[in-house]
Amino acid sequence: QQPVQSPQAVILREGEDAVINCSSSKALYSVHWYRQKHGEAPVFLMILLKGGEQKGHDKISASFNEKKQQSSLYLTASQLSYSGTYFCGTEKDYGGSQGNLIFGKGTKLSVKP
Amino acid sequence: DTGVSQNPRHKITKRGQNVTFRCDPISEHNRLYWYRQTLGQGPEFLTYFQNEAQLEKSRLLSDRFSAERPKGSFSTLEIQRTEQGDSAMYLCASSSRPDPLYGYTFGSGTRLTVV
Repeated sequence: QQPVQSPQAVILREGEDAVINCSSSKALYSVHWYRQKHGEAPVFLMILLKGGEQKGHDKISASFNEKKQQSSLYLTASQLSYSGTYFCGTEKDYGGSQGNLIFGKGTKLSVKP
Repeated sequence: DTGVSQNPRHKITKRGQNVTFRCDPISEHNRLYWYRQTLGQGPEFLTYFQNEAQLEKSRLLSDRFSAERPKGSFSTLEIQRTEQGDSAMYLCASSSRPDPLYGYTFGSGTRLTVV
């Protein structure tokens, strides 16, 4: 079942922060986050495994609430290069990593100067 | 390694014709996935392989779609009797599961237009 992302679109000024949410009705083993720029392939940002682990690199971080089956992606002090469409991909919990990812519909992020 | 390679980049075909796409994954990746993406939507899962075994195929996928991964290396996706609704970007991705740390690496895709 497809995860639900919110919001559908965000417009930011450079330096502002944003949060993108992803929720699933199924028990999850992992949540992935990808960014896709127009006309390009999705690029992997990070993966979160069940256990509520929070990860991050540079000014982009994410969390995974296993009880709520929700993940959030945090973008702080946004840069122009952050513009693109962000997708979460969820993997159902089959008792380990055995499945494929189901992607949400995406959140379009536009960062203006 | 040059990443995931897909050919052709673009394909225009007439309705009713068969088409075949090829994907060459990253050589050390044992898993290979096919997705389809239409404008404004997220990638839609089609099927995936672990080595040469096809482990799952989307229940929404028509019988006109078939995929192979002989010898666990490259993969082909064939669409028979194409329809206008098949027009989309077809994405291939690979990963080294069950090691989960590095996610999927996507290819640049094959854009199919059915006229």
